Amino acid sequence: NAGVTQTPKFQVLKTGQSMTLQCAQDMNHNSMYWYRQDPGMGLRLIYYSASEGTTDKGEVPNGYNVSRLNKREFPLRLLSAAPSQTSVYFCASRPDQGQREKLFFGSGTQLSVL
Amino acid sequence: KNEVEQSPQNLTAQEGEFITINCSYSVGISALHWLQQHPGGGIVSLFMLSSGKKKHGRLIATINIQEKHSSLHITASHPRDSAVYICAGGRFNTDKLIFGTGTRLQVFP
Repeated sequence: NAGVTQTPKFQVLKTGQSMTLQCAQDMNHNSMYWYRQDPGMGLRLIYYSASEGTTDKGEVPNGYNVSRLNKREFPLRLLSAAPSQTSVYFCASRPDQGQREKLFFGSGTQLSVL
Repeated sequence: KNEVEQSPQNLTAQEGEFITINCSYSVGISALHWLQQHPGGGIVSLFMLSSGKKKHGRLIATINIQEKHSSLHITASHPRDSAVYICAGGRFNTDKLIFGTGTRLQVFP
């Protein structure tokens, strides 16, 4: 049982490039999230998906896009990378019932935009 | 002012000491989460509380809804407890969380 798999672990981009951060979970969770973590700030929600086919903006959605084409995957796309998007990105998922108290996180992606 | 605030920001302790990390929030929440972020960056859920107290091993979490305050205690601290501890409030009728900035704990042998 892999949990939440997030790739890549590290990425360096040039300003203006686009890329997709991959996230997949094998726990049959409906809720999935993308967060960014910056020094001195708490985790901030970029996008959220309550179920397959639905997505919702979080606190800091500008410059990003997401899709939820199936229950398992929730990729995050950077449309035109900017230095302000240098951050550590975490994907997470949460059960609908049972262990509702637990959030399951991917291992993170450290992104640098030059 | 952040809606979820933690104190202290940094904490050092000697092995065996009793540790307390505090979390205060200024918004209505349905539940309060405590998370642990390891030095390697991985994040794991420790507790979710909506009232009272929960215990898991040497970790104890309490919440006072009226005072909008939660504490995470670590008894008999150990160097492997060194991590960043994060609290997060769950908003009502939504799955979205508001995160504190974390408390960095270092426990020395």
